[in-house]
Amino acid sequence: DIVMTQSPLSLPVTPGEPASISCTSSQSLLHSNGHNYVDWYVQKPGQSPQLLIYVNSNRASGVPDRFSSSGSGTDFTLKISRVEAEDVGVYYCMQALQSPVTFGQGTRLEIK
Amino acid sequence: QVQLQQWGAGLLKPSETLSLTCAIFGGSFNDYYWSWVRQTPGKGLEWIGEINRGGSANYNPSLKSRVTISVDTSMNQFSLKLTSVTAADTAVYYCARGTQYMDVWGKGTTVTVSS
Repeated sequence: DIVMTQSPLSLPVTPGEPASISCTSSQSLLHSNGHNYVDWYVQKPGQSPQLLIYVNSNRASGVPDRFSSSGSGTDFTLKISRVEAEDVGVYYCMQALQSPVTFGQGTRLEIK
Repeated sequence: QVQLQQWGAGLLKPSETLSLTCAIFGGSFNDYYWSWVRQTPGKGLEWIGEINRGGSANYNPSLKSRVTISVDTSMNQFSLKLTSVTAADTAVYYCARGTQYMDVWGKGTTVTVSS
């Protein structure tokens, strides 16, 4: 299975400041079609995970444009340009290149 | 807007069979795959398997020997069965639309395995 490793595991952020979460995969997630098959999810307190970004760079419906993703191959980054209080939660990367799909261990974003 | 409603037994004894069902509201199976995912404090999020409306299922090899996912298109539902459960199967179980990316999730069902 492809192992997804996130850092940091905990991320305290001041509202209005940017935040960045890294995700490294044990194998390249770059498909021959040129797309990197990595998704990002957030699990807000008491809720199910919800999709933020799919196939590396596509924001899911309703996701604010302050969320963006970049990277290729084995190294990916989720960026929040200006953190808001509602962004509190645990962020997960997931690889969808190879079955079984696998998730990172999660990064807990908290507000300072 | 598609919503998923899931249900099933929340307390099981070791060796029993876990059985959960997920109903699709506001949509239909269409051309999607539909997944089951579980979450534990120790292992985090773990994909269990997927199925499409034709009944073609794929499973995580780590659970394959114990898992069956089935579909009932007439009821707009899909189901999960996990046999011979142990304490290690204690988790929150989610159903979701998709596998490559999961854009709709159920609210989750907490399943506890305890003697």
